[in-house]
Amino acid sequence: QQQVKQSPQSLIVQKGGISIINCAYENTAFDYFPWYQQFPGKGPALLIAIRPDVSEKKEGRFTISFNKSAKQFSLHIMDSQPGDSATYFCAASSVFQKLVFGTGTRLLVSP
Amino acid sequence: DAGVIQSPRHEVTEMGQEVTLRCKPISGHDYLFWYRQTMMRGLELLIYFNNNVPIDDSGMPEDRFSAKMPNASFSTLKIQPSEPRDSAVYFCASRWTGGTGELFFGEGSRLTVL
Repeated sequence: QQQVKQSPQSLIVQKGGISIINCAYENTAFDYFPWYQQFPGKGPALLIAIRPDVSEKKEGRFTISFNKSAKQFSLHIMDSQPGDSATYFCAASSVFQKLVFGTGTRLLVSP
Repeated sequence: DAGVIQSPRHEVTEMGQEVTLRCKPISGHDYLFWYRQTMMRGLELLIYFNNNVPIDDSGMPEDRFSAKMPNASFSTLKIQPSEPRDSAVYFCASRWTGGTGELFFGEGSRLTVL
């Protein structure tokens, strides 16, 4: 119930393409769904987050889509750039509880 | 503002030796988390503290691991004795109750146990 399942494990996208990473959860008490971005040799950093009262949140080229009934959420990166090449983690938690992370997706955007 | 500060950045040690990893959270943050990252298991939560008190240590793999937070600005994660399977990157992260829920991570301590 505490797991967050993330797919795919790795992804290669052409520059300018759309990158899509999916996550699914079981615990209906989760009410905070962030995505973290991690570059090699660095710690993860918050990219964008959503709460279940909205179905979509957009920040620049990054969009979270949230489907409460299906208990799924996804990250879309529009116009993917080589600088977006990183590992992306989805996560979930209930209010002020510990974050549970997905297993990560290694994204490579080819020039 | 300084972020979460971890030391050492890299540690190479031999099996059986004691390892101590250190973390200074962001000033004013009241939660501190220790994570371990490996290729096989991803990001695993080991333990977290609230106001210097350990809240959940269910992720600590075994008694060889211990963590302390003697004050609001310092925490340690100790492994004694270390084993090759402890080789990983250990991250410290902090957050503030009054914030958005965002976790701020340090740059990690890469541990290699030979």
